[in-house]
Amino acid sequence: SQQGEEDPQALSIQEGENATMNCSYKTSINNLQWYRQNSGRGLVHLILIRSNEREKHSGRLRVTLDTSKKSSSLLITASRAADTASYFCATSKTSYDKVIFGPGTSLSVIP
Amino acid sequence: GAVVSQHPSWVICKSGTSVKIECRSLDFQATTMFWYRQFPKQSLMLMATSNEGSKATYEQGVEKDKFLINHASLTLSTLTVTSAHPEDSSFYICSARDPSQGGGNQPQHFGDGTRLSIL
Repeated sequence: SQQGEEDPQALSIQEGENATMNCSYKTSINNLQWYRQNSGRGLVHLILIRSNEREKHSGRLRVTLDTSKKSSSLLITASRAADTASYFCATSKTSYDKVIFGPGTSLSVIP
Repeated sequence: GAVVSQHPSWVICKSGTSVKIECRSLDFQATTMFWYRQFPKQSLMLMATSNEGSKATYEQGVEKDKFLINHASLTLSTLTVTSAHPEDSSFYICSARDPSQGGGNQPQHFGDGTRLSIL
């Protein structure tokens, strides 16, 4: 399997706090993507980071990528109750390749 | 932005019947679409890559005769679960990339999924 693990599996925080989720993978990649899934729904793309990039920002989201450690992190700052969802990292070996998902982190933001 | 529509969103049927799920790219053409399966509280597992005008590429362990994929046009891929049984009950999700968004490294756009329940 190309994908490794995500931790934590579940995270519960208070509104306003920051949430950090980590993702590890096993093989070389072309890019790594983070997605969000609300319960029973499809996935929403959050951010894509290429293998030659180390950090990327989008609004309250900050993603880092360490290819030497084969790991990535997603930071959500100033969390809101609406951020409650499952978050998945996903990797592709090439720019056009299929995307393989990690096990995900279930985030609960308590108002 | 690119939209992927999936239909139906929910289906309940008796064991032994076949169920067809449609995945459409509404505002772009997709030569490749992907089908995933997701069990409760688990991640998405890639089942197959649907290729327009050619045979689908199935992942290891996925029965191609059980899960029939047809990608007859640039905007439509269908997944048919044949002779469905209770163990096929799951959440099925399709996705596609919009090639007009530039070269590689495009995100995938997901449908809202189909919840299949086999009685």
